[in-house]
Amino acid sequence: NAGVMQNPRHLVRRRGQEARLRCSPMKGHSHVYWYRQLPEEGLKFMVYLQKENIIDESGMPKERFSAEFPKEGPSILRIQQVVRGDSAAYFCASSPASGDSYEQYFGPGTRLTVT
Amino acid sequence: AQSVAQPEDQVNVAEGNPLTVKCTYSVSGNPYLFWYVQYPNRGLQFLLKYITGDNLVKGSYGFEAEFNKSQTSFHLKKPSALVSDSALYFCAVRDSGNTDKLIFGTGTRLQVFP
Repeated sequence: NAGVMQNPRHLVRRRGQEARLRCSPMKGHSHVYWYRQLPEEGLKFMVYLQKENIIDESGMPKERFSAEFPKEGPSILRIQQVVRGDSAAYFCASSPASGDSYEQYFGPGTRLTVT
Repeated sequence: AQSVAQPEDQVNVAEGNPLTVKCTYSVSGNPYLFWYVQYPNRGLQFLLKYITGDNLVKGSYGFEAEFNKSQTSFHLKKPSALVSDSALYFCAVRDSGNTDKLIFGTGTRLQVFP
């Protein structure tokens, strides 16, 4: 059973460009979480999605950031008009369901560098 | 608001000695606590969790953690450290709302010296 897959692993964008980060959850997992890790900091929650639904986007910046988890295909985190402050590692996690006993499994992350 | 604190930025320990990485929490209701480890340029790996039951939780790679409700702590421990345990360790608590999101501490870097 493959783990959580993220691509690309490294992404370089110039200021003003768009960044698209992809996450394929573990097989059988229908819950996806996105977290951001700034240099030398812990992970901060961004958004929680189930298939075709955004459940909690309380950690998403109000502008330029969006996320989706379509019925088919990976979850996408999209950052429009990137700025240098968007440079960070973005981690996706998945779980089979909601509930107290389910831990989240993390992907290897996408390291975004904005030049 | 729920939060997790890891008071030590770095812990240094000699190989073979016991190690402790500290974590305290603040939650409303029952705490659901987790430890994850991050190796350089890698994602987080799950180590162990406390949901309910025994206060001493055993996890992967010989790690264990002790839940202490009166001290609101969930310290990570290992009886005998290995050089390969050197990594970044994160304590996390599950949000008590409906979304199951994790709230992470700032991390503790563990350095095990040969």
